Amino acid sequence: DAKTTQPTSMDCAEGRAANLPCNHSTISGNEYVYWYRQIHSQGPQYIIHGLKNNETNEMASLIITEDRKSSTLILPHATLRDTAVYYCIVRVRNYGQNFVFGPGTRLSVLP
Amino acid sequence: GAVVSQHPSWVICKSGTSVKIECRSLDFQATTMFWYRQFPKQSLMLMATSNEGSKATYEQGVEKDKFLINHASLTLSTLTVTSAHPEDSSFYICSARGIGRENTEAFFGQGTRLTVV
Repeated sequence: DAKTTQPTSMDCAEGRAANLPCNHSTISGNEYVYWYRQIHSQGPQYIIHGLKNNETNEMASLIITEDRKSSTLILPHATLRDTAVYYCIVRVRNYGQNFVFGPGTRLSVLP
Repeated sequence: GAVVSQHPSWVICKSGTSVKIECRSLDFQATTMFWYRQFPKQSLMLMATSNEGSKATYEQGVEKDKFLINHASLTLSTLTVTSAHPEDSSFYICSARGIGRENTEAFFGQGTRLTVV
């Protein structure tokens, strides 16, 4: 699976959009971009995933660049409960494989 | 979304005793379950992969005789930490994947915090 690079930490004001970047310059054509988050002392929570088109669901939007070498997770209106570590993971969509977690980005939503 | 439940959420045990952690998929059949361990301020590290009805596959450096994994049914996997020591204190997390709609995303349990005293 391709490696990802994320900033160690970010701050965001409550109510504003949180934009979390992820670089995955070695991504292969059959690898998807997944985002998970982990709130303190809880298990990871699935947010969204995509291949090359932008995706949106009730939690977030995923913007993937045309060359697929980077992506941005957007939380449109961050709340205090969005404070968590966000993990960007690149992997083949295959039920038999595990997810490899990097250090992620620690997002702090500030009042 | 699919629900994975872990039990207990936290446990304190004495050094030398064994502790069993359960991971259940509540609304889908989990053909594969993964067990992770997370130390404070670190990311999740995969310990082992278990497929229903077969022996678990352990990651390098994880002692299979110390961390016993049983995946006897499509909805239940257990991790038993045998002869626990203080260095085994950690946050243990399972994830499950199955057939149908859940065959691409992994769903995670809420984790079990083990403290060995």
